[in-house]
Amino acid sequence: GEDVEQSLFLSVREGDSSVINCTYTDSSSTYLYWYKQEPGAGLQLLTYIFSNMDMKQDQRLTVLLNKKDKHLSLRIADTQTGDSAIYFCAETPGYGGSQGNLIFGKGTKLSVKP
Amino acid sequence: EAGVTQFPSHSVIEKGQTVTLRCDPISGHDNLYWYRRVMGKEIKFLLHFVKESKQDESGMPNNRFLAERTGGTYSTLKVQPAELEDSGVYFCASSQYRAMNTEAFFGQGTRLTVV
Repeated sequence: GEDVEQSLFLSVREGDSSVINCTYTDSSSTYLYWYKQEPGAGLQLLTYIFSNMDMKQDQRLTVLLNKKDKHLSLRIADTQTGDSAIYFCAETPGYGGSQGNLIFGKGTKLSVKP
Repeated sequence: EAGVTQFPSHSVIEKGQTVTLRCDPISGHDNLYWYRRVMGKEIKFLLHFVKESKQDESGMPNNRFLAERTGGTYSTLKVQPAELEDSGVYFCASSQYRAMNTEAFFGQGTRLTVV
């Protein structure tokens, strides 16, 4: 079945790097996404990666994809207190649904300590 | 430009009552999606509208849930009668296109508590 797994909590110190990990089960997923949810706000798309890529970098964010192991990670360099939020990993369903028909993990709550 | 707006932000109702959630997508976005997150669990897809038509309603949990999008603009999600397990945060999202590299913009969610 379709399943996306994430650790629930991560705590880092300001200035350190954060690495949030995610595993998924659907090998036919074409896109994988990272969303961020700040307190009281909706989900914000941070970045996405196409399944034929293994890395994508966007400023402080680096996404690594290991398709063989079905493992996705999000690295945040120089983590700031404003990065404190819940980070959701998501994949497109294997039947080729649109970007909105996503399968989400439970979310990783990132706490950044000053 | 206004983002996706949802109303109300919070709702507390008694078991057996009816609640209607509303979502206003970004103007011009034909695609509208409903999701919900039950406490401590994943965000689950409920359904997808393209304009006023239901494209995919495979995630709707049961027939107590009714979604409409008359005129292809705003959408409502009615729960009748509400049960305790319906408590959670209901998110709406919209996108201009269906392509998988097109961003879906999410609203802030409606927190529904059934007591």
